[in-house]
Amino acid sequence: GAGVSQSPRYKVTKRGQDVALRCDPISGHVSLYWYRQALGQGPEFLTYFNYEAQQDKSGLPNDRFSAERPEGSISTLTIQRTEQRDSAMYRCASSGDTGEQYFGPGTRLTVT
Amino acid sequence: KQEVTQIPAALSVPEGENLVLNCSFTDSAIYNLQWFRQDPGKGLTSLLLIQSSQREQTSGRLNASLDKSSGRSTLYIAASQPGDSATYLCAGRPLTGTASKLTFGTGTRLQVTL
Repeated sequence: GAGVSQSPRYKVTKRGQDVALRCDPISGHVSLYWYRQALGQGPEFLTYFNYEAQQDKSGLPNDRFSAERPEGSISTLTIQRTEQRDSAMYRCASSGDTGEQYFGPGTRLTVT
Repeated sequence: KQEVTQIPAALSVPEGENLVLNCSFTDSAIYNLQWFRQDPGKGLTSLLLIQSSQREQTSGRLNASLDKSSGRSTLYIAASQPGDSATYLCAGRPLTGTASKLTFGTGTRLQVTL
């Protein structure tokens, strides 16, 4: 079946603009995760949903970052008033009963 | 705060060699562990998941083990091939707290030459 999909794949935005990144998990996966990956580093946890409930948002850097998953499927990560330091690869993952996490292709965000 | 170290950071081997990648956690209270492969400009591909009740897992030429007492894991790649060239990342889920978030190492960049 289809894997995790993310859109857009690339996003270039100007400093101060808001951006919304979308994640469509594997069908039937109840858990969804957002990570951020800097060049040459491993992904860092941002937030986690179980169904529509946001269980942990301890990795969100500040209050400009928010995420939602209103119907327990698709999730949106929103960054308000973007700054250059927000430039990174944003990755989404989902998992089912085994807990094995499957990652999407990521969204490369560049803030100019 | 959990920190994950992967050794070596980079490795170049000729085709056909067997090799071992190492991963260690500062906090050995790990629930389970995943190994991933990342190709340049691509996403992460899950290779192996070692569940809490397991000590090792095998898939084809790959074998991963986890020693929970020491917080160390190894990924063994047998008969390496040029197609194995990629960055390999290990990631662990904590035993407590948010038991689902993964903490990643910085990876081992592997190059297999002809």
